[in-house]
Amino acid sequence: EIVLTQSPGTLSLSPGERATLSCRASQSVSNSHLAWYQQKPGQAPRLLIYGASSRATGIPDRFSGSGSGTDFTLTISRLEPEDFAVYYCQQYRSSPGTFGQGTKVEIK
Amino acid sequence: QVQLQESGPGLVKPSETLSLTCTVSGGSISIISYYWGWIRQPPGKGLEWIGTIYHTGSTYLNPSLKSRVTISLDTSNNQFSLRLHSVTAADTAVYYCARPPSVLVPAPGAGGAFDIWGQGTMVTVSS
Repeated sequence: EIVLTQSPGTLSLSPGERATLSCRASQSVSNSHLAWYQQKPGQAPRLLIYGASSRATGIPDRFSGSGSGTDFTLTISRLEPEDFAVYYCQQYRSSPGTFGQGTKVEIK
Repeated sequence: QVQLQESGPGLVKPSETLSLTCTVSGGSISIISYYWGWIRQPPGKGLEWIGTIYHTGSTYLNPSLKSRVTISLDTSNNQFSLRLHSVTAADTAVYYCARPPSVLVPAPGAGGAFDIWGQGTMVTVSS
């Protein structure tokens, strides 16, 4: 099973700042089949990015994904108030599909 | 616009079977090349893929749960369901049904990436 390790655990930033979240895989994720989700308290996760760098429908362009192999990054270029949430990465290429433990982006 | 809604008991006794249903609206679950899945999240913890079912009824399950999980389709009611047998307190979680579009299922055994989710339903295992 591929283990995904996200860092940092918590990111304390102010609105308008840039957020950089990391997701490292224990083995290479074939064809960059890696997704990022946003989850707010009491809500279901929301798909942001798939294929490591493709934005899902309706996702603002301040969200971008990059990376390949074992190292992936989610960048939020300028944090809006609604972006403070928990973010999860997921690999969906190797069985079983697995999620990272999450990074919380909180208001500083 | 496809929408998903989970339903089922919020409390299950240890050693019994957890049964949940996901009702799909705004589209048919029988449409060729569609998959449907279940994911869970223990309180305060991360997400765990449980399993995915194809429109043909073929199922792909997380090996860690495979011996206890059944996922099935009910096309007449446009629903799919989850049954988790022999539950313990460790199965206490919010259970989500979700849909991975076919293009985001490169390997069914990995479940897929999920673009539509239900709101989730909390299931507590306790006597």
